Amino acid sequence: DVKVTQSSRYLVKRTGEKVFLECVQDMDHENMFWYRQDPGLGLRLIYFSYDVKMKEKGDIPEGYSVSREKKERFSLILESASTNQTSMYLCASGRAHEQYFGPGTRLTVT
Amino acid sequence: QKEVEQNSGPLSVPEGAIASLNCTYSDRGSQSFFWYRQYSGKSPELIMFIYSNGDKEDGRFTAQLNKASQYVSLLIRDSQPSDSATYLCAAALNTGFQKLVFGTGTRLLVSP
Repeated sequence: DVKVTQSSRYLVKRTGEKVFLECVQDMDHENMFWYRQDPGLGLRLIYFSYDVKMKEKGDIPEGYSVSREKKERFSLILESASTNQTSMYLCASGRAHEQYFGPGTRLTVT
Repeated sequence: QKEVEQNSGPLSVPEGAIASLNCTYSDRGSQSFFWYRQYSGKSPELIMFIYSNGDKEDGRFTAQLNKASQYVSLLIRDSQPSDSATYLCAAALNTGFQKLVFGTGTRLLVSP
């Protein structure tokens, strides 16, 4: 079975803090993704990566950056957290068009 | 803005009935379509994908695609209370190797 893990299920941070969200997959997938999910807005793609050290902007990259130093690990960085970044963050990995999601991190920025 | 649209629901069906979930998409270049199920508080899980016009069956699930009408549907036969969840439709754009556009989901409630 595909396994995608995320470093935290729940996280509370203060406005202005730098926040790191980690994602690890164990299926040797080339492609990894970061989404946020908000009520009424659905899943929105923040960034994705199709290879180590490669990254592409998704639909809502502003305020975020990513890092992929190893194939199995994809990190999402909030450079300076703001309250409008309070959300559920979901990591996914996959090949072709199939994507497998991690359990999610519910981030609250106060 | 390329969109995938779904009725938010809830769609309520009795146990044993057929649930029909629908999705439309705006980008005619979309090549493949996916249905994900998401239980409350959980992450989405892939149920089915379909690339070609027509029907694709997998157990109690049937995906239907009509590219001319830009319409995708998911039928769930013999619905069970355990099918109660939010169902997300997603389209893969022809310009992106794997970039998916998700709809906001339809909530399905199956009553015993």
